[in-house]
Amino acid sequence: DGGITQSPKYLFRKEGQNVTLSCEQNLNHDAMYWYRQDPGQGLRLIYYSQIVNDFQKGDIAEGYSVSREKKESFPLTVTSAQKNPTAFYLCASRSAGTGGTDTQYFGPGTRLTVL
Amino acid sequence: GDSVTQMEGPVTLSEEAFLTINCTYTATGYPSLFWYVQYPGEGLQLLLKATKADDKGSNKGFEATYRKETTSFHLEKGSVQVSDSAVYFCALSPGTSYGKLTFGQGTILTVHP
Repeated sequence: DGGITQSPKYLFRKEGQNVTLSCEQNLNHDAMYWYRQDPGQGLRLIYYSQIVNDFQKGDIAEGYSVSREKKESFPLTVTSAQKNPTAFYLCASRSAGTGGTDTQYFGPGTRLTVL
Repeated sequence: GDSVTQMEGPVTLSEEAFLTINCTYTATGYPSLFWYVQYPGEGLQLLLKATKADDKGSNKGFEATYRKETTSFHLEKGSVQVSDSAVYFCALSPGTSYGKLTFGQGTILTVHP
């Protein structure tokens, strides 16, 4: 079945540690996105990538980093510089090249808790 | 910049009641509009979408009409079920190639038997 997988589902981290969240898609989509969700709020864009080896900062990129070495993978690293990393992180993908009308498909999310 | 405003929740209804969740937006150009649904502990699923003015999106008994004159995309369902209990997000995507989504804050819907 085609889809987006994120791992792990739950992640615990000590303060001062970097942690990497995995996102893999087999939909053959060009564009991939990372969002952060906090309780009672909508989703906010962290980073996005329209093509392999290229990515752009979103609205809240500080304290995060990404890479896009393969079309199907877009890992997100939450660094120790991120002041308030506890949140629900969602990865999405979309087939690019047709403007904003195409749908973004979301993974199941990773809940990160900093202890 | 672009923004989406949803009616404040939470919304609590009895089974078979009529549902409306209001959504208004601010955007330049001609955005596409979406409703996503999120069940507890899960990611977002597309519920419906509309890509131009006067389009009606529909799915699973839910409907929303893209109203450019009132910059609105209200979600409606004639008869809700307990299984519709979830968080509903209105979102827009500008007419650009990178397709960034701007979300409303979400509306929690609880349906009682």
